Order: sequence, then structure tokens, then C-alpha cells
Amino acid sequence: NAGVTQTPKFRILKIGQSMTLQCTQDMNHNYMYWYRQDPGMGLKLIYYSVGAGITDKGEVPNGYNVSRSTTEDFPLRLELAAPSQTSVYFCAGARPGETQYFGPGTRLLVL
Amino acid sequence: GDSVTQMEGPVTLSEEAFLTINCTYTATGYPSLFWYVQYPGEGLQLLLKATKADDKGSNKGFEATYRKETTSFHLEKGSVQVSDSAVYFCALSPRINYGGSQGNLIFGKGTKLSVKP
Repeated sequence: NAGVTQTPKFRILKIGQSMTLQCTQDMNHNYMYWYRQDPGMGLKLIYYSVGAGITDKGEVPNGYNVSRSTTEDFPLRLELAAPSQTSVYFCAGARPGETQYFGPGTRLLVL
Repeated sequence: GDSVTQMEGPVTLSEEAFLTINCTYTATGYPSLFWYVQYPGEGLQLLLKATKADDKGSNKGFEATYRKETTSFHLEKGSVQVSDSAVYFCALSPRINYGGSQGNLIFGKGTKLSVKP
């Protein structure tokens, strides 16, 4: 099993550009999450999903969108990139009531 | 709302020193508690967890005990190694209704540990 994988590893965006951060898991996780990690801070939840076709907002959803058309994939979309979205983004997956497993992260720089 | 507070770093220790990283929490219901570790350039890995009061989680020489009376989950290791240098995050998963929880994690800010030879 590859676990939770994320692409790309690193990306530089210009203000106003859009991009999709990809997350895929092969561990039969019903639940999937997107977090952002700002320097010197813990992770904050952006969006989560409890199954295909079901998504909900977390603590910091503004400026982001998600979809969950399949159990395996949970992409995060930035429509109009802003400098405040410079961060490291982590995707995670879990089975109900079990531990979350994290991907390696995507480092995003918005200039 | 629910929150996690952990001691601020960085923490610098010599090899074989004793480690304590304090973590306290505020939560309704009966949360599960976790310690995650993040090595340089990597994602978070689960280090240990405890799901109910007085449980002790342990892994790789690290231990933490779920203390409901003091709402704490302090991380300890008797003898640290250079390879333990990393950022350590304390986290909780709210469990107001066990069957209904989406398993969201609430993180502390992290504590950077540097171990010198």
C-alpha cells in the first residue's frame, strides 16, 4: 500500500492563480481531511469528508473548495491564490474511530 | 471550544537527558489524546495515543498518561537520542457522541526538540 499520497510536493503560485492539490489514499479510509500548517503553528482543519459525495467545512475553509467523487481521492482547490494561503498543506485519512494517517505534505508559496 | 496547549519550544537537550513536554487540553465529553511527531521535511506520524482516562500510551521509549483530573497528557522519555530531534504535536479528537464523531483532530502549536550529541 502506498498509504496517503499528495502531489505536488512544492509549488509556487502567483497571486490570483488557481491550482488543485491532489490527495489519494489506498487504505480504505472513509474519512479524509485537509489541514494547513503555518510556521510555528499547529495544524488547522480546512475541510473534511466522511465519505464519497459528502464534504464539510473545518475551521479555516475560506478560499478553498473540495470534492469527494470517489473514496480514494480528495482534491483541494484554490481558486484565487492569495499570499495568506502560503503554507504547508497536509491531507490525512482515517477509518471511523481510528487513527489519522497523514500524507507527506505540499508546500505552497504564493507570491 | 476544544483546545490544546503545549509548552513552547524550542527545547534543547543533550543526548541521554530526560525529556518532558507538557500538554494540557480543554474539551467537552471524553476526547481521545494523541502525540504526533514531525521529522524535518516529513509529514506527521502518530507517536502514541490514549483513548480514556488513566490510559498510558507508549512507543519508541516515549510515554504519556491521560490524566482527566488535571486535563493533561505530558510526553516523557527517559533518555533522548539525537534521532529524536523533531517537532512534537499534542492533539485531541473530540468524542461527544462516539459513533457520531468525524474524528477531527485539534492540534497544539508544536514543540521543537533538538538533541545535541
